[in-house]
Amino acid sequence: AQSVAQPEDQVNVAEGNPLTVKCTYSVSGNPYLFWYVQYPNRGLQFLLKYITGDNLVKGSYGFEAEFNKSQTSFHLKKPSALVSDSALYFCAVRGYNAGNNRKLIWGLGTSLAVNP
Amino acid sequence: EAQVTQNPRYLITVTGKKLTVTCSQNMNHEYMSWYRQDPGLGLRQIYYSMNVEVTDKGDVPEGYKVSRKEKRNFPLILESPSPNQTSLYFCASSGRENTEAFFGQGTRLTVV
Repeated sequence: AQSVAQPEDQVNVAEGNPLTVKCTYSVSGNPYLFWYVQYPNRGLQFLLKYITGDNLVKGSYGFEAEFNKSQTSFHLKKPSALVSDSALYFCAVRGYNAGNNRKLIWGLGTSLAVNP
Repeated sequence: EAQVTQNPRYLITVTGKKLTVTCSQNMNHEYMSWYRQDPGLGLRQIYYSMNVEVTDKGDVPEGYKVSRKEKRNFPLILESPSPNQTSLYFCASSGRENTEAFFGQGTRLTVV
């Protein structure tokens, strides 16, 4: 079965410290992986994606993510967290479904709190 | 500016009163979909459309209808809303298979 797991419901980090939000996936074939962020009362905003190529991808707002095929992971990272990074983060993978090849399979989200 | 526009942003309605949530995108995307977001359940796909006049059920289609008469529009219709359809709804569109999806701002629906 195709799935995405975000093992932590909440991550707390002090401002200025590095942050990691974890994501593991299970999908047949080569995965297309995405990270989105949701601020309160807002829609989901795209952060970054892995399609192919370099395992370290860089995205918006200083975020980056590392694709690890052997561990089937795609963890989101940032070297120095800001209070304004506090939001809900979603990992998603494009599944391989006959007739619905654009479908995204979503993790349940991780709430990131950056403390001043 | 590339965007997906949903209306209304907030809606309170009564059980059984038909309603439509509109969604429009200006990126000429073929693929559009509707999601609902509920605490502890994440995002679940309701319906999707691969192109004009091509729609199909997602994971939780019961109680919903959609139509895709034009490429840019993908309205979500609740013929007889019930309280269990109280949720936050998102419309999304995407182009080619390896590109990201764009999301609307969301519609918070309350059915009393």
